[in-house]
Amino acid sequence: AQTVTQSQPEMSVQEAETVTLSCTYDTSESDYYLFWYKQPPSRQMILVIRQEAYKQQNATENRFSVNFQKAAKSFSLKISDSQLGDAAMYFCAYYNNYGQNFVFGPGTRLSVLP
Amino acid sequence: KAGVTQTPRYLIKTRGQQVTLSCSPISGHRSVSWYQQTPGQGLQFLFEYFSETQRNKGNFPGRFSGRQFSNSRSEMNVSTLELGDSALYLCASSFLGSGNTIYFGEGSWLTVV
Repeated sequence: AQTVTQSQPEMSVQEAETVTLSCTYDTSESDYYLFWYKQPPSRQMILVIRQEAYKQQNATENRFSVNFQKAAKSFSLKISDSQLGDAAMYFCAYYNNYGQNFVFGPGTRLSVLP
Repeated sequence: KAGVTQTPRYLIKTRGQQVTLSCSPISGHRSVSWYQQTPGQGLQFLFEYFSETQRNKGNFPGRFSGRQFSNSRSEMNVSTLELGDSALYLCASSFLGSGNTIYFGEGSWLTVV
């Protein structure tokens, strides 16, 4: 069974600084998708970024970028120029077309300090 | 474009009762999936429906069931409620299926007393 691990339960960053959230996953599949979702205090899950495993190029979305290391099964999220609104719970998620269901990591709570 | 709508947002039920939660997906989305979120277990997949058919099911007891209607709206039902069923239930929709990006609703908070 696939598993997703986020080894940092909590992290903090100063406003305007850069922070990296870690995620590792375990799978025997070669074709899959990886996601980062953000859950602010409102509890609504918001997509941050999506990566297709067959694409070697790392996905970027404005201040958010990933470092996708397929061989190492690592998928970290880098947030640049952190803003107060980035404070939230961040979930790393895995999906493959064979199992057809999402597997979420336990989450990392990010605090942004003014 | 309206987002994913879940109703009711908050509800309190008594042990042994049953509950039905509703989810209206984004217009044009045919896939609806359900998740349970608790502090202890995190986010866990319940099931996914695509064009009225259950395509996949997570590891939950048979008390948890769902269905999808021809307009893609979905309901999930929990029978014989237990205290441990207290959770945030999240619904998500996508156009083709979960391999594409899924968009979440705001969730339904269920408290079982």
